Amino acid sequence: EAQVTQNPRYLITVTGKKLTVTCSQNMNHEYMSWYRQDPGLGLRQIYYSMNVEVTDKGDVPEGYKVSRKEKRNFPLILESPSPNQTSLYFCASSPRSWVPGNSPLHFGNGTRLTVT
Amino acid sequence: QQQVKQSPQSLIVQKGGISIINCAYENTAFDYFPWYQQFPGKGPALLIAIRPDVSEKKEGRFTISFNKSAKQFSLHIMDSQPGDSATYFCAASYLTGNQFYFGTGTSLTVIP
Repeated sequence: EAQVTQNPRYLITVTGKKLTVTCSQNMNHEYMSWYRQDPGLGLRQIYYSMNVEVTDKGDVPEGYKVSRKEKRNFPLILESPSPNQTSLYFCASSPRSWVPGNSPLHFGNGTRLTVT
Repeated sequence: QQQVKQSPQSLIVQKGGISIINCAYENTAFDYFPWYQQFPGKGPALLIAIRPDVSEKKEGRFTISFNKSAKQFSLHIMDSQPGDSATYFCAASYLTGNQFYFGTGTSLTVIP
């Protein structure tokens, strides 16, 4: 089954304790992206990657890091989490080129992070 | 700067009624406008999409109306059902790219 898998689904941590949220896709997609979802603010892009070893900042990159060493994986790293990073996080992937009518962006089921 | 503005933030509709969600964009270079539907505990999933060369697209009970001159598009859900209760996001992008710009979302509740 084609899917984007995020782990963990839920995470509670304390301020300053480094954490990694993993994301893996099995569709051989070149493009991967991280979003955070907050009430009233919608989906805001954190980082994205057009291909292996190619990453770039989205709209809200502060406090986050990413890496893309393999095509299928795109982990999100919070080196020193703070309470304002409490949010619902989504990873998404997309093929380099896509045909309208097919879903261009495939999302994982989310990771709910709470930083106390 | 919000590339796509969405309203209302929340919407309550009676079963059988029409749900309408509106979006507006600024960048006239956008050429693909999808709507995503999100159920609790799930990621957003593509519901319906439109390109600016048509003014309307209908799939079952879901219709997108597109007004290119006003730079606005809207989602209409006819005969709304409790199973339609979800969060809806509009978005805009370029057909040749991978960047998507999302609206702030609308939480729809359909009352039985």
